Amino acid sequence: EVQLEESGGGLVQPGGSLTLSCAVSGFSISDHYMDWVRQAPGKGLEWVGRTRNMANSYITEYAASVKGRFTLSRDDSSNSLYLQMNSLKTEDTAVYYCARVMVDFLTGYYLDYWGQGTLVTVSS
Amino acid sequence: DIQMTQSPSSLSASVGDRVTITCRASQSISTYLNWYQQKPGKAPKLLLYAVSSLHSGVPSRFSGSGAGTDFTLTISSLQPEDFATYYCQHSYSTLFGQGTRLEIK
Repeated sequence: EVQLEESGGGLVQPGGSLTLSCAVSGFSISDHYMDWVRQAPGKGLEWVGRTRNMANSYITEYAASVKGRFTLSRDDSSNSLYLQMNSLKTEDTAVYYCARVMVDFLTGYYLDYWGQGTLVTVSS
Repeated sequence: DIQMTQSPSSLSASVGDRVTITCRASQSISTYLNWYQQKPGKAPKLLLYAVSSLHSGVPSRFSGSGAGTDFTLTISSLQPEDFATYYCQHSYSTLFGQGTRLEIK
């Protein structure tokens, strides 16, 4: 059974830092691209970033809204992902989801399995 | 930059109704369009990818169509568990539409 479980959310002050984790079971992340998506309270979905697999040099990509402040990493040996968030702003308050990306050059990218999310609240 | 616009933003319907949700891209995205369903307090779930391919386990009452800039998600006969928010996504830009909330009439 595929499972993704985020952890590490909580309350942090503006300007602070937080690192989220995503523990994966049921498949090996080494074969997959992995995404982070967030959802502010009462709002829609916003893509945060992507880490490609080893075959694609672990390239990372970021949304403009978080580039330079957030860093994605992964540990294939422990089947885990990480999202390090620095210089946090109140507008970063959201539920953060990790998700598996399926890649097919005919069909594009799609997120077929998601974690349950972890809430990050940035407030003084 | 590509913009993804869904309509309507919200919709009221009854069990058994046929419902259509539209997603429009600001420029052609070929068939690189996915649909997700999200229920309150839950993670999104993939419904359809590449416009019309059903994800594993998704009921056949869900279908998708379109190409280029205009796409539709159709639920042929609404079931109680279908009341949720639906999002389209351009698969290459990763951009999501703003969502369509489907409510019980």
